[in-house]
Amino acid sequence: GQNIDQPTEMTATEGAIVQINCTYQTSGFNGLFWYQQHAGEAPTFLSYNVLDGLEEKGRFSSFLSRSKGYSYLLLKELQMKDSASYLCAVYNTNAGKSTFGDGTTLTVKP
Amino acid sequence: EAGVAQSPRYKIIEKRQSVAFWCNPISGHATLYWYQQILGQGPKLLIQFQNNGVVDDSQLPKDRFSAERLKGVDSTLKIQPAKLEDSAVYLCASSARTGGADGYTFGSGTRLTVV
Repeated sequence: GQNIDQPTEMTATEGAIVQINCTYQTSGFNGLFWYQQHAGEAPTFLSYNVLDGLEEKGRFSSFLSRSKGYSYLLLKELQMKDSASYLCAVYNTNAGKSTFGDGTTLTVKP
Repeated sequence: EAGVAQSPRYKIIEKRQSVAFWCNPISGHATLYWYQQILGQGPKLLIQFQNNGVVDDSQLPKDRFSAERLKGVDSTLKIQPAKLEDSAVYLCASSARTGGADGYTFGSGTRLTVV
């Protein structure tokens, strides 16, 4: 089976930096997705990491360590609109599908 | 390109009634998924189609849930009879690559409330 862990909630201040962690245990791991989901809306794709290391995309960066079963999403220069749930999803080659964690609800305060 | 279309947006039914949800994926996307998302949890896969064939329905409660994708395009998910614990958002997603290695595009979902 697969086990994906993320913190349930985080709070940060506008303009600050926040790191959302995700740890996983799985067989047949191929890559890891991060999705953003605003309340009442569908998840939207943020990033996909296959190789170890940091990938930067504007204010958002995602890191992966395959050997440690660990990823994080880094959000810089936080804005109020970044308040959302951030879902970590592991893509399993053997199963041909992604399995989602329960998400981290980020609240950005003024 | 047009996104993944789902309807209805909201549905309220009484327990033991039946309900159906419809999804039209992005044109050309062969893989279609139905996910159930209970409040406060991540999406859980119910069924995955590749064209009009079922790839994975291991977590679909087959005694009450059914899904079809007859022509390899639109899909319908049905619940009959509904239970209180079926209250959730039902998300349809599609991907261009088999298994979704390119990421999913989700529809806006159907919020089901069973009373």
